[in-house]
Amino acid sequence: DGGITQSPKYLFRKEGQNVTLSCEQNLNHDAMYWYRQDPGQGLRLIYYSQIVNDFQKGDIAEGYSVSREKKESFPLTVTSAQKNPTAFYLCASSTTGFSYQPQHFGDGTRLSIL
Amino acid sequence: AQSVTQLDSQVPVFEEAPVELRCNYSSSVSVYLFWYVQYPNQGLQLLLKYLSGSTLVKGINGFEAEFNKSQTSFHLRKPSVHISDTAEYFCALTLIQGAQKLVFGQGTRLTINP
Repeated sequence: DGGITQSPKYLFRKEGQNVTLSCEQNLNHDAMYWYRQDPGQGLRLIYYSQIVNDFQKGDIAEGYSVSREKKESFPLTVTSAQKNPTAFYLCASSTTGFSYQPQHFGDGTRLSIL
Repeated sequence: AQSVTQLDSQVPVFEEAPVELRCNYSSSVSVYLFWYVQYPNQGLQLLLKYLSGSTLVKGINGFEAEFNKSQTSFHLRKPSVHISDTAEYFCALTLIQGAQKLVFGQGTRLTINP
């Protein structure tokens, strides 16, 4: 079945450590997105990419980095500069073009501080 | 800038009762509107979308929503809820033009009591 796979499901970070969250899709979608979810705040956009080798900052990009070397993959690195990384992280993907198609979401990665 | 406000953070209802989850939005340009549902520790699933046409939109699991441009609202309704509808619901918008970045409301936790 086509879909979005996020791994790991749970992740723990030590102080001063960078961690990378994986997001892979086999939907042949051009665009991919990373959102952060905190209780009572909904989802906020971290980064997005509409094409391979190109990405843009979202509303809360500070302390995060991404890469888009392959169409199907969009990993997110939470750096040590992100002082409050504890959250639920969701990856999404969508087609681009004239006919709008809604975003598909993965099942998320929950990141906690040790 | 665009914004989405969900007027209730929590809505408790009894099983088989009707429910309405309220959503207001703000945008100076035309937008697409969505309702997503999130079950515990899972990603988001699309319930319904308004792109154009009829202002009454029907979605999955018996939900429907009405787009009201004059009141900038997109309220979600279900005539009779079930225990399985217990979840968090998010209203979201995206601009018709440009990148498909979603702007989310804060979420409404729907609890169904037997």
